[in-house]
Amino acid sequence: GNSVTQMEGPVTLSEEAFLTINCTYTATGYPSLFWYVQYPGEGLQLLLKATKADDKGSNKGFEATYRKETTSFHLEKGSVQVSDSAVYFCALSVLYSGGGADGLTFGKGTHLIIQP
Amino acid sequence: KAGVTQTPRYLIKTRGQQVTLSCSPISGHRSVSWYQQTPGQGLQFLFEYFSETQRNKGNFPGRFSGRQFSNSRSEMNVSTLELGDSALYLCASSFGPSEVLSYEQYFGPGTRLTVT
Repeated sequence: GNSVTQMEGPVTLSEEAFLTINCTYTATGYPSLFWYVQYPGEGLQLLLKATKADDKGSNKGFEATYRKETTSFHLEKGSVQVSDSAVYFCALSVLYSGGGADGLTFGKGTHLIIQP
Repeated sequence: KAGVTQTPRYLIKTRGQQVTLSCSPISGHRSVSWYQQTPGQGLQFLFEYFSETQRNKGNFPGRFSGRQFSNSRSEMNVSTLELGDSALYLCASSFGPSEVLSYEQYFGPGTRLTVT
C-alpha cells in the first residue's frame, strides 16, 4: 500500500534558522507529492507540490524536490519566521496506469515551533 | 471567492446516535473529498465525490457514508456512533477529480465531532 513517513516533532527552531523536515514515502503507481500546512484552528492549506521525479515545488520561501531514487520529498526553508509555526503534513496521491486515483495519503504531521 | 465551508463547526453526540455533516465547496468546484483527522491515526481519506458519484473510498466501515448533490454540496453521515469516531472531519474541494493532479484540493476548517 501507500504510506508517508515524516518526523513528528515538535521541532523547535530559532527565528532565521534553516529548516529541514524529512519526508519519505512508499507508493504503488505514479505518486505526486505534496506539502500541506495547518495553522491552529484552521484547515489544511497546500504549500507546494511536485508531480514527477526531479520536480522542485516552491512557495513562500519553502522548497521540496521529488527524489525518486531515495523516495523522498524533504521540505526546506532557508530562514524561518515566527509566523511559520504550524503543523506540516507531507502527502502523496497515486495515479494508476489504468486510470483513477487514490485520495491523499498523509504523514503524521510535524509540529514546527519557531521562537523569536 | 468564498472558501470551503463546513457546518456545523462543533458537534457533541452520544454513542449509538447518527450524525450528518455538511460541506459546501468553492463555487465552481465539482469534486469533494472527506478526511478524518485524529491524534492517533492522523489524517485518513474517507471518500471522494465528483459529479454526484462516489469515485474513491478509503478503508472505513459501512457506517460512514456520503453523498453529493447536483449543486456539488456534500454530506457525510456516520451511523451508530462509537467513541472512536471522535475526530476532526475535514472536507476538501477541487475543480476536477483527483486523477487530474493539476486540480488542487482546498480544505475547509473542519467539523469537530465529539462522541460521549
